[in-house]
Amino acid sequence: GQQLNQSPQSMFIQEGEDVSMNCTSSSIFNTWLWYKQDPGEGPVLLIALYKAGELTSNGRLTAQFGITRKDSFLNISASIPSDVGIYFCAGQKGESGGSNYKLTFGKGTLLTVNP
Amino acid sequence: SAVISQKPSRDICQRGTSLTIQCQVDSQVTMMFWYRQQPGQSLTLIATANQGSEATYESGFVIDKFPISRPNLTFSTLTVSNMSPEDSSIYLCSVDWAFFGQGTRLTVV
Repeated sequence: GQQLNQSPQSMFIQEGEDVSMNCTSSSIFNTWLWYKQDPGEGPVLLIALYKAGELTSNGRLTAQFGITRKDSFLNISASIPSDVGIYFCAGQKGESGGSNYKLTFGKGTLLTVNP
Repeated sequence: SAVISQKPSRDICQRGTSLTIQCQVDSQVTMMFWYRQQPGQSLTLIATANQGSEATYESGFVIDKFPISRPNLTFSTLTVSNMSPEDSSIYLCSVDWAFFGQGTRLTVV
């Protein structure tokens, strides 16, 4: 099935550094979502983006919905050890509850933060 | 918001047996989703569970292998039938796109 191209696959950074990851697709999505998954847990929604060009922040996290609607990035500033985990992007073609409600997920970015 | 309780959290099962995973939501929801996450991989949608109708399965997943029940608006079960080691994965339920259960880590031996 269709997949999103998420990169990088993994990152090793020092505490305090900024980190950026992105997702690209060959097709258009109307909603972009970013999740974090800790070991043994389900994904937790970090940021949802609904409009092309939209830039949204959630604390130290900032995400943007690409103008072409085919890409998105997530930035984490001033990383801390608890940022460790797997970050997933996901795209949705339609509105929740509509016929295109299904999510397509990227393969994830494993983030390691060295204290 | 929604709080999702999924159980069991993990299990080790014998080849050829079946396991039923339960998902309880603290509010009424129209659609519930079941995902599979194979080791080190992303999430793949298995099926959408609608109350009052049969589940809708994605390509590559069939009802005989993954029967789903949705008896009311707050509860659903996913059964992994006739298991093989290839079924070893994390299985997750979700409501809307914002809320996921903590997952069931299944190991088939």
